[in-house]
Amino acid sequence: SQELEQSPQSLIVQEGKNLTINCTSSKTLYGLYWYKQKYGEGLIFLMMLQKGGEEKSHEKITAKLDEKKQQSSLHITASQPSHAGIYLCGATQGAQKLVFGQGTRLTINP
Amino acid sequence: DAMVIQNPRYQVTQFGKPVTLSCSQTLNHNVMYWYQQKSSQAPKLLFHYYDKDFNNEADTPDNFQSRRPNTSFCFLDIRSPGLGDAAMYLCATSNPGTSGFTYEQYFGPGTRLTVT
Repeated sequence: SQELEQSPQSLIVQEGKNLTINCTSSKTLYGLYWYKQKYGEGLIFLMMLQKGGEEKSHEKITAKLDEKKQQSSLHITASQPSHAGIYLCGATQGAQKLVFGQGTRLTINP
Repeated sequence: DAMVIQNPRYQVTQFGKPVTLSCSQTLNHNVMYWYQQKSSQAPKLLFHYYDKDFNNEADTPDNFQSRRPNTSFCFLDIRSPGLGDAAMYLCATSNPGTSGFTYEQYFGPGTRLTVT
C-alpha cells in the first residue's frame, strides 16, 4: 500500500518567515491533497495537485508536485499566526479513498 | 452554507457501553467516510459508503459498524468501546462524479470520544 512521509514532523518559525513542508510518497502520486487541521477540529481542504510539475497557490500558500509525481512541497510565504496548525498531505489510493501522511505541526512565534 | 455536521462534538462513554456517533451533510455527496484519528497520528479510514454500498477497510475491527439510512446521514456504532477506541472520529464526504475518481473530501469538525 502507498505510504506518505512528511517532513519535518514539527516546525517552529518566527512570524514573517517563509517555510516549506515536504511530502514524499512510496509510489507514484495520481492525486495529492493538502489539508490543514487546527487542534481538535476537522480537516480543511487547501489544494489538490494531479499533474507532474503542477503548482497551485492560494493567498500565501503554494503547493507543488514534482515532475516524477512522488513528492510534493507546501510553501508558506511571510507566515502569520493564522497559519499555525497541522498540515497533512493525502494521496489517492484506489477509488474514493485517501491515505494521509502523519502531519506536520506548525507553530508561529510572534 | 452547505456543510458536514457531526454530533456530538464530545462524547464520553463507559468501557463496553455501546455508543453511536452521528454525521449529516447538506452537500448531497455520494460518498461518506468515517476516519479514526488518534493523538498526533494521521486519520485512519475505517469504512466508507458510496451511495448505499458499504466498503469496509480490511483492518477495521468488527467492533465498529456503520449505517447510512439516507444520502444525508451516516452513523458510526461502536458496539463495545475499549480504552483503545478513545480518539477523534472524523466524518467526510466527497462527490467523485461520473469519473469515479476521488475529489477533495470535505470534513466535519469531528467527535472526540473518551472511554472511561
